[in-house]
Amino acid sequence: AQKVTQAQTEISVVEKEDVTLDCVYETRDTTYYLFWYKQPPSGELVFLIRRNSFDEQNEISGRYSWNFQKSTSSFNFTITASQVVDSAVYFCALSELTGANSKLTFGKGITLSVRP
Amino acid sequence: DAGVIQSPRHEVTEMGQEVTLRCKPISGHDYLFWYRQTMMRGLELLIYFNNNVPIDDSGMPEDRFSAKMPNASFSTLKIQPSEPRDSAVYFCASSLEDRRIEAFFGQGTRLTVV
Repeated sequence: AQKVTQAQTEISVVEKEDVTLDCVYETRDTTYYLFWYKQPPSGELVFLIRRNSFDEQNEISGRYSWNFQKSTSSFNFTITASQVVDSAVYFCALSELTGANSKLTFGKGITLSVRP
Repeated sequence: DAGVIQSPRHEVTEMGQEVTLRCKPISGHDYLFWYRQTMMRGLELLIYFNNNVPIDDSGMPEDRFSAKMPNASFSTLKIQPSEPRDSAVYFCASSLEDRRIEAFFGQGTRLTVV
């Protein structure tokens, strides 16, 4: 069975600090996708990134970067120079590509508070 | 495209009443998912459809919950009778092809059962 662990539950930083959100996953499949979603205070879930299990290249998008390491089954998310607008709950999720089921398994989420 | 549209955004109902949540997926998407979010359990998949056919309903908590997708542009999640422990945010999501593509979520329906 697939599982996603986000050990950090709440993180509070001061604006302009860098912050890394950890995500560790478990799966028996060799082919899978990993995701990060953002849930701002307004409540909607916003897709941030998708990576497949064959692509371990790190990705950078503006102030956001992702570090995927299969050796440690981790898919960590770093926000550089955080801003107040980054305050939200961030979810890591896993989707396997084989088997009878087709679904996203979410972690519990990390609540990030960025203080001015 | 307007994205996934859910209605109502907020619902307050009394215990024992029937509740119907509605979802309009993004046009052309083959998959539709219903999720429930609570503080205790996080985001849980309740059921998903492929081409209007329910594929996996193992996440549906009990017989009080039912979901239908009569056509490609509409789905409902019904709770009858509702109980206070059903209070949660219910999300609908849709995606193209299969799980390879990210799911696009609606804004959710916040259900409160008193």
